[in-house]
Parts: sequence; structure tokens; C-alpha cells
Amino acid sequence: NAGVTQTPKFQVLKTGQSMTLQCAQDMNHNSMYWYRQDPGMGLRLIYYSASEGTTDKGEVPNGYNVSRLNKREFSLRLESAAPSQTSVYFCASTRHPGETQYFGPGTRLLVL
Amino acid sequence: AQTVTQSQPEMSVQEAETVTLSCTYDTSENNYYLFWYKQPPSRQMILVIRQEAYKQQNATENRFSVNFQKAAKSFSLKISDSQLGDTAMYFCATPYSGAGSYQLTFGKGTKLSVIP
Repeated sequence: NAGVTQTPKFQVLKTGQSMTLQCAQDMNHNSMYWYRQDPGMGLRLIYYSASEGTTDKGEVPNGYNVSRLNKREFSLRLESAAPSQTSVYFCASTRHPGETQYFGPGTRLLVL
Repeated sequence: AQTVTQSQPEMSVQEAETVTLSCTYDTSENNYYLFWYKQPPSRQMILVIRQEAYKQQNATENRFSVNFQKAAKSFSLKISDSQLGDTAMYFCATPYSGAGSYQLTFGKGTKLSVIP
């Protein structure tokens, strides 16, 4: 089992460009999450999907959109990247909300 | 909403010694889990230990144990016989209920350095 996978590992964007971060899990988990990690800030929730077919905003959703493509995949889209979105992005999944979350390796995004 | 506070931004410990990382939280939930995650320089988030709030017994995983004080809303992590591989950021996290589902709230982390 690969667990939670994320692509790409690293990306450089120019301001105004768009991109999609991909996340997939092979643990048959119901819930999936997108976080961003900035220095000194811990992890902050961007969006989550409690179950297939549902998505909800987290603490910092502005500038992002998500798609729960199926039970395995949960993508995060930046429509018009801004330097403030320079961060490390983590995807996570869990069998049921409130239980242990398992994380992907992260995507480092640099917006110039 | 829910807050998680880690009051020690940085700590250091000699190899083979014991260190305790503190965490306090605020929740109105009755049944929940609390977690400690480790993030080494590789950046991978790794579960260290999990505590079920309705259990009085403190969780233990090899050299890692917690001191869970539910009334005080305190959840500290004790690392015994510290090893160089324990050098990492440590994050305390607890779920809270929002919009009919559960999310994890993370503290800002404690950077632990194990000194040879």
C-alpha cells in the first residue's frame, strides 16, 4: 500500500498562474483534507471532504478550490496563484472524521 | 472553535535523557482523540501516539507516553531515552466539531533537538 500520495513534490509558479495539486489514498478512507504549513504557524486546514461527494471550507479557504473526484482522489486548485500562497501543502485522509489522519509527503509550492 | 497551545517553541535534550513536551487545548466535546505528530527534516508527518479522551489510562508507545489530564485539558508528551532520530518538530492536535464533521486543530509545534 502506498498510503497517501501527492503530486507534484515541488512546483514553482508565477503570480497569476493556475495549477492543481493532486492527492490520492489507497486505504479506502472516507474523509480527506488539505492543509497548508507555514513557518511558525503549524498546519492550517484549507478544505476537507468528510465523505465522497461533499466538500467544506476549513480555516483558510480563500484562493483555493477543491474537487473530490472519487473516494480515492481529492485535488486542490489554485486558480490565480499569489505569493501569499507560497507554502508546503499536505493532503491527509482518515477512515472516519475524528480518527487518526494519515498524511502525504507534502508539496512545496513557490509563487514568484 | 478550538485552540491548541504548545508553549515551548524550542527544546533540547541530551541523548538518553527524558524530555516532556506540553500541550493544552480547549474543547467542548466529550468524546474525542488527541494526537501527537512528529515531523522530521524530511517533512513527513508521522503519528507518534494517540489518546482516547474517554480512557483514563495514559497511552504508551515504546519510549513515548502521554500525561493526559482531561479536567485541566492538558496533554503532554514524554520521550524517554531520547535518541538522535527523535530530533524533529512535534505537533499536538485534537479534533473539534464543525459543520457536522470533525477537523484536526494543530498547535504551532515544538522544535526538539537531541544533543549527542
